[in-house]
Amino acid sequence: AQSVTQPDIHITVSEGASLELRCNYSYGATPYLFWYVQSPGQGLQLLLKYFSGDTLVQGIKGFEAEFKRSQSSFNLRKPSVHWSDAAEYFCAVGVSGNTPLVFGKGTRLSVIA
Amino acid sequence: DARVTQTPRDKVTEMGQEVTMRCQPILGHNTVFWYRQTMMQGLELLAYFRNRAPLDDSGMPKDRFSAEMPDATLATLKIQPSEPRDSAVYFCASGRNTDTQYFGPGTRLTVL
Repeated sequence: AQSVTQPDIHITVSEGASLELRCNYSYGATPYLFWYVQSPGQGLQLLLKYFSGDTLVQGIKGFEAEFKRSQSSFNLRKPSVHWSDAAEYFCAVGVSGNTPLVFGKGTRLSVIA
Repeated sequence: DARVTQTPRDKVTEMGQEVTMRCQPILGHNTVFWYRQTMMQGLELLAYFRNRAPLDDSGMPKDRFSAEMPDATLATLKIQPSEPRDSAVYFCASGRNTDTQYFGPGTRLTVL
């Protein structure tokens, strides 16, 4: 069975600082991996996805993530955080992009001045 | 800019009442998912359809929940009778072939 672990429930960073959100997954085959962002009262917006190929993927809003098979990880990074990045971030894994996703519990990001 | 739409956005109801949530998937998408988000359980799958046929509804309490796709442009999720523990945000998502799932804004349900 697939599972996703996001070890950090809440992270606080200063505006302009770098960010890394951790995600570990459990899945027998090559997974389809996703990062979604949810602002308060909003739906989930796709930040980026990994299906195959280059293990460093670029997404929207300046985010990137790196797939590391040996560590079963798919960490999300951003070099310089903006106050508007404050939100909840979800990592998800699936058999494909069009089958049910299994989500982590989420990491809430706070940004301080 | 194609989007998944959901109605209503917010619903407050009394225990025992019927609740119907509606979802309009992105035109051309052949797969529709229903997820529920709660503080305790996080995001979990309730059911999903491909080409309007139900593929998996194992996440739904069968005695009170039902999901249907009357046509390719409408998916419905019904709860009858509703209970306070059903209070959650219900998301619909749609996708096409092996592509990505796109989420709607959600329906926030409060059962008193």
